[in-house]
Amino acid sequence: KQEVTQIPAALSVPEGENLVLNCSFTDSAIYNLQWFRQDPGKGLTSLLLIQSSQREQTSGRLNASLDKSSGRSTLYIAASQPGDSATYLCAVEASGSARQLTFGSGTQLTVLP
Amino acid sequence: GAGVSQSPRYKVAKRGQDVALRCDPISGHVSLFWYQQALGQGPEFLTYFQNEAQLDKSGLPSDRFFAERPEGSVSTLKIQRTQQEDSAVYLCASFPGQGFYNSPLHFGNGTRLTVT
Repeated sequence: KQEVTQIPAALSVPEGENLVLNCSFTDSAIYNLQWFRQDPGKGLTSLLLIQSSQREQTSGRLNASLDKSSGRSTLYIAASQPGDSATYLCAVEASGSARQLTFGSGTQLTVLP
Repeated sequence: GAGVSQSPRYKVAKRGQDVALRCDPISGHVSLFWYQQALGQGPEFLTYFQNEAQLDKSGLPSDRFFAERPEGSVSTLKIQRTQQEDSAVYLCASFPGQGFYNSPLHFGNGTRLTVT
C-alpha cells in the first residue's frame, strides 16, 4: 500500500527566505505527483503536477522536483511571502489507479512579515 | 466558469442522524471523486464516478456510506446513522475525463461535518 510522508509537519520562516518542503513515497510505480495548497476552511488548489517521466516543473516562484527511483519530491518556494502561508499537500497517483490520489498529511507553512 | 460547488459548507448532526452532502462538479466534467479529510490529515479517497457509473467505492469506510450520481452530473454522498468518527471535511473533486490524464483535479471547498 502506497504511503506518503511529508516533512516537516510545520515550518515558520521570515518573509523573503527560500524554503524547501519534502515529500517521500514508498511505491515508485506512480503515474504522477502533485503538489496542492490548502488555505484554512478551503479546498485544495493544484500548484504543480509532475508526470512520472519528468524531473521537475516550475511555476513562478515554485519549483517541484521528482526522483521516482528514490521515492522523493521537493517543493522549493523562492522569496517567500506572507501570502504563501498555507498547508502544502503532496499527493501521488498510482499507475492504473484511475486518478485515485494518495496524500501526505501536509506541511503547515507560516511566513512571518 | 464556476468551480466545483459543495453544499452545505457546514453540517452539524447528532449521532445517529442521516446526512446528505451535495457536489456540483464543473459542467462537462465526466469524472467525480469524493475524499474524506480528518483534522490535521491529508484527504483520503472514498469513491469515484465516471458519468453515472460508480467505478470504485473501495474507500468507503462502512456500509453506512453511500454515494450516487444518477444523471452523471450532481453527486450526493449520504451517511446513515452518523457516528462521531465520521466528523471530517468531505471534499469533492472533478476533472474532464478520458484524454485529460495528467491534468489536475479541481476540488471544491468541502463540507465540514461535525457529529455531536
